[in-house]
Amino acid sequence: DQQVKQNSPSLSVQEGRISILNCDYTNSMFDYFLWYKKYPAEGPTFLISISSIKDKNEDGRFTVFLNKSAKHLSLHIVPSQPGDSAVYFCAASDVGNQFYFGTGTSLTVIP
Amino acid sequence: DTAVSQTPKYLVTQMGNDKSIKCEQNLGHDTMYWYKQDSKKFLKIMFSYNNKELIINETVPNRFSPKSPDKAHLNLHINSLELGDSAVYFCASGRYEQYFGPGTRLTVT
Repeated sequence: DQQVKQNSPSLSVQEGRISILNCDYTNSMFDYFLWYKKYPAEGPTFLISISSIKDKNEDGRFTVFLNKSAKHLSLHIVPSQPGDSAVYFCAASDVGNQFYFGTGTSLTVIP
Repeated sequence: DTAVSQTPKYLVTQMGNDKSIKCEQNLGHDTMYWYKQDSKKFLKIMFSYNNKELIINETVPNRFSPKSPDKAHLNLHINSLELGDSAVYFCASGRYEQYFGPGTRLTVT
């Protein structure tokens, strides 16, 4: 029973363009959402998060949008850079602080 | 200065053996976790420890047991290893934003 889903396993974007990674969830009790970035042979690295009381959080080139009614969040990276090429995981937690991860989207930024 | 470290990085062993993976964090976090990433890249939480007490225990076989000698360490012991245990195991720490170790690739032959 996968409560957090990333339906696009891969995404390719030209350098300088916007990358949009999507994530859907099913549990309305989730109150905190996160994005992680993962390079091969390394552990995931925290990127950005958003609380359920907000609909947008921005950190430099990274912006996370949350649409609670649609149970959807997205990560925007603009402008995309070759170093952004990695696997991106979204995650959600409930009030019990249990975390659920999506299966990841592999982003390739083409120079 | 590594924040979350785990050893070994690679572990190859035969079915039926007992093995341990060690994890240490120097971030001063109260909560530590073990995750399993299977062949489908699905990252699933196995255990978490908060102040040396188990607070989440997913439906993992009881062959897996976490051991926390102190707040900075959370080791994973696996008894009677099976082929299906082959995966990458990640240790993490932190209450909200989690910091992950580099992973341990376990291969059971």
